[in-house]
Amino acid sequence: NAGVTQTPKFQVLKTGQSMTLQCAQDMNHEYMSWYRQDPGMGLRLIHYSVGAGITDQGEVPNGYNVSRSTTEDFPLRLLSAAPSQTSVYFCASSYATPNSGNTIYFGEGSWLTVV
Amino acid sequence: SQKIEQNSEALNIQEGKTATLTCNYTNYSPAYLQWYRQDPGRGPVFLLLIRENEKEKRKERLKVTFDTTLKQSLFHITASQPADSATYLCALEAGTALIFGKGTTLSVSS
Repeated sequence: NAGVTQTPKFQVLKTGQSMTLQCAQDMNHEYMSWYRQDPGMGLRLIHYSVGAGITDQGEVPNGYNVSRSTTEDFPLRLLSAAPSQTSVYFCASSYATPNSGNTIYFGEGSWLTVV
Repeated sequence: SQKIEQNSEALNIQEGKTATLTCNYTNYSPAYLQWYRQDPGRGPVFLLLIRENEKEKRKERLKVTFDTTLKQSLFHITASQPADSATYLCALEAGTALIFGKGTTLSVSS
């Protein structure tokens, strides 16, 4: 049982490039989400999904796309990378939505630098 | 919008003492509040969840209180150890989202 797996661990992008951060979970969780963590800002929600085929925006969605074609996978796409997207990205999953009192499990993070 | 504040960025205590971390929130009445631990370079790890109708929750040396009138949660680590040094995050549920505070970095010196 691997939990939440994120790839890549580290990535350097040039401004304007696009890339996809991968996230997979093997716990059959319906709820998945992406956060970014910046110094002094804490964890901020980018996008989330309550099940396959359903996604919604969080607090800071601009510049990011997501899709949820399967229960297991929730990739985060950067459309045209900007230096402001330099951050640590965390994928998380849970059996159900936070208002159901379920624990959220986090991946180990993806460190992204945009130059 | 919901706002959650952890009023200390850093807390330094000596081994064996009790660490108390504070989490305050406004503009919401969450049904659940959670605490997570985050070590440098790692993802947050769940510690405790407390429901709005629970005043207190304990797990080993950890204790969490939840005062819905004050809109405040306190997180206590008793008999603290250097291994408890980490950043502790408070999070409240806001429907389909979990909103996090900025965290308090605890340093326990021997």
